[in-house]
Amino acid sequence: GEDVEQSLFLSVREGDSSVINCTYTDSSSTYLYWYKQEPGAGLQLLTYIFSNMDMKQDQRLTVLLNKKDKHLSLRIADTQTGDSAIYFCAEFGENQGGKLIFGQGTELSVKP
Amino acid sequence: EAGVAQSPRYKIIEKRQSVAFWCNPISGHATLYWYQQILGQGPKLLIQFQNNGVVDDSQLPKDRFSAERLKGVDSTLKIQPAKLEDSAVYLCASSLAQTNGYTFGSGTRLTVV
Repeated sequence: GEDVEQSLFLSVREGDSSVINCTYTDSSSTYLYWYKQEPGAGLQLLTYIFSNMDMKQDQRLTVLLNKKDKHLSLRIADTQTGDSAIYFCAEFGENQGGKLIFGQGTELSVKP
Repeated sequence: EAGVAQSPRYKIIEKRQSVAFWCNPISGHATLYWYQQILGQGPKLLIQFQNNGVVDDSQLPKDRFSAERLKGVDSTLKIQPAKLEDSAVYLCASSLAQTNGYTFGSGTRLTVV
């Protein structure tokens, strides 16, 4: 079945690292994505990882994939107040018929 | 490149009225998607087009929702008649290749009163 789960809220202090977690159910997923949504805006693609990779780093962002446990995480180093937003995990695979399935989103609050 | 354009940005209607949303995808993107995002939830796919053909509309409430993509470019999504539970943000997205993910528009926020 199709199911992507995320914790709903995360609060961190400015300068700390943030880790947002996601679990998914479809083992055929080929790509996994992280999107960011600021208030009143659409979804912005942050990064993605192909299913045969364990880790991907892109500046302050690190994505870790544990395919065995179907667990994905997004680490934001040196979190800034401008990182406050809702972060969505999404999976794409052949079992989804070529469409993205989103989690419910994690609201990240960064306190100064 | 220009992004995905959507209009209107906001719409307030009474229940049982009709409403239409418009989307212009990124030039050259063959695949177009309409998602519904209810407050506090992740986006849910309503319909997927490949050029001007429907690939997946399994989650589209066809008794009240309709969508078309004429000439494989712009798309419109219509709700007739609207219900209170249709209040949501309607997001349009397009894609060229899966490794690039989808590019989303800013969405249309619909409030049904």
